[in-house]
Amino acid sequence: EDQVTQSPEALRLQEGESSSLNCSYTVSGLRGLFWYRQDPGKGPEFLFTLYSAGEEKEKERLKATLTKKESFLHITAPKPEDSATYLCAVPPGGSYIPTFGRGTSLIVHP
Amino acid sequence: KAGVTQTPRYLIKTRGQQVTLSCSPISGHRSVSWYQQTPGQGLQFLFEYFSETQRNKGNFPGRFSGRQFSNSRSEMNVSTLELGDSALYLCASSLPGTVQGDTQYFGPGTRLTVL
Repeated sequence: EDQVTQSPEALRLQEGESSSLNCSYTVSGLRGLFWYRQDPGKGPEFLFTLYSAGEEKEKERLKATLTKKESFLHITAPKPEDSATYLCAVPPGGSYIPTFGRGTSLIVHP
Repeated sequence: KAGVTQTPRYLIKTRGQQVTLSCSPISGHRSVSWYQQTPGQGLQFLFEYFSETQRNKGNFPGRFSGRQFSNSRSEMNVSTLELGDSALYLCASSLPGTVQGDTQYFGPGTRLTVL
């Protein structure tokens, strides 16, 4: 069964304390892995799409990487405004219905 | 360019009633998808419409239905509401040709509470 698992469920960091969020997946025929950010009371905001192992993408303090089994979202020197829930999604093999992970709730303290 | 808009933002209904939610996609986006988000199940795909046709459907009962109009605006309907239908309903639009889930622009959602 195709699955998407995110860890940790929650993460508290001090401002400037770098860390990584994980998204592991078990799908056949990966056709892309997507990262979204969701602020409380708002819809998700698209961040990145990764298509193949070894691919990396960056945006400000965020860098997403992809291996054959998982993706990491690295946050370098985070600021309080980076506090949000980060979601990853994968379209399962043989289906166009995306499966979203449960998300990692990130809180960055000043 | 205006973002995805959803109306209403908040809705309170009682069990057994029906509800219609509306979504206006970003101009030029012809694909509209609907999602249900709950604390227990997370974000789950309901269905996708493209050029007024339902292209993909998630694993939800037939009480959940939708449609898309020629101007790409979409509506979602839930009949015979149940308590478990309380959720944030999100609409997302994207350009045609993108893989489902990729580069989607989400609206702010409609918060539905069923009493």
